[in-house]
Amino acid sequence: GAVVSQHPSRVICKSGTSVKIECRSLDFQATTMFWYRQFPKKSLMLMATSNEGSKATYEQGVEKDKFLINHASLTLSTLTVTSAHPEDSSFYICSASPYTYEQYFGPGTRLTVT
Amino acid sequence: AQTVTQSQPEMSVQEAETVTLSCTYDTSESDYYLFWYKQPPSRQMILVIRQEAYKQQNATENRFSVNFQKAAKSFSLKISDSQLGDAAMYFCAYRQGTYKYIFGTGTRLKVLA
Repeated sequence: GAVVSQHPSRVICKSGTSVKIECRSLDFQATTMFWYRQFPKKSLMLMATSNEGSKATYEQGVEKDKFLINHASLTLSTLTVTSAHPEDSSFYICSASPYTYEQYFGPGTRLTVT
Repeated sequence: AQTVTQSQPEMSVQEAETVTLSCTYDTSESDYYLFWYKQPPSRQMILVIRQEAYKQQNATENRFSVNFQKAAKSFSLKISDSQLGDAAMYFCAYRQGTYKYIFGTGTRLKVLA
């Protein structure tokens, strides 16, 4: 149990375009979902926390207009990188949390902006 | 602000031997959770072990155990009988009251055959 999926696993997009990443909890309802960014050989940096049906809470320094987060249901959250640039290239990981203290992580999405 | 520090960027261990990964944290809270996560080359984060701060007993999961020293704010991970499959990045994490996790910088573990 407690499986989280992400789609796509890899995406390449051109500079200036937008790309959407989906995060789904497959066998549980996620009251809270989290989006992380991980640079090569670095730790996970929390970008934002989203609760179903409400606006996401962004961490300091994260542009909310650039990284749009939607948590439309208890099993789905999306991260849209708008007007992507090469510096947005990174590994993005989502996690989902049910009514417990634990987070279950997705397998991540590698974004490359050319 | 809470912080999590992993002072060992890289560690090596011989197969079948024991290795300890260090983690310290800073918090003014008394009730919290601590975790160790493993991230293999696939990049999938895998929960290794968790510890509730209110529990004095150290958590254990098969070959993995922790040494939780609450007063010292230390949370080390001991891996016994190391296996080749244990090679990965290991992250220590602290959970604040609202589910938010703070991760350490990670320790890369190499297992030598």
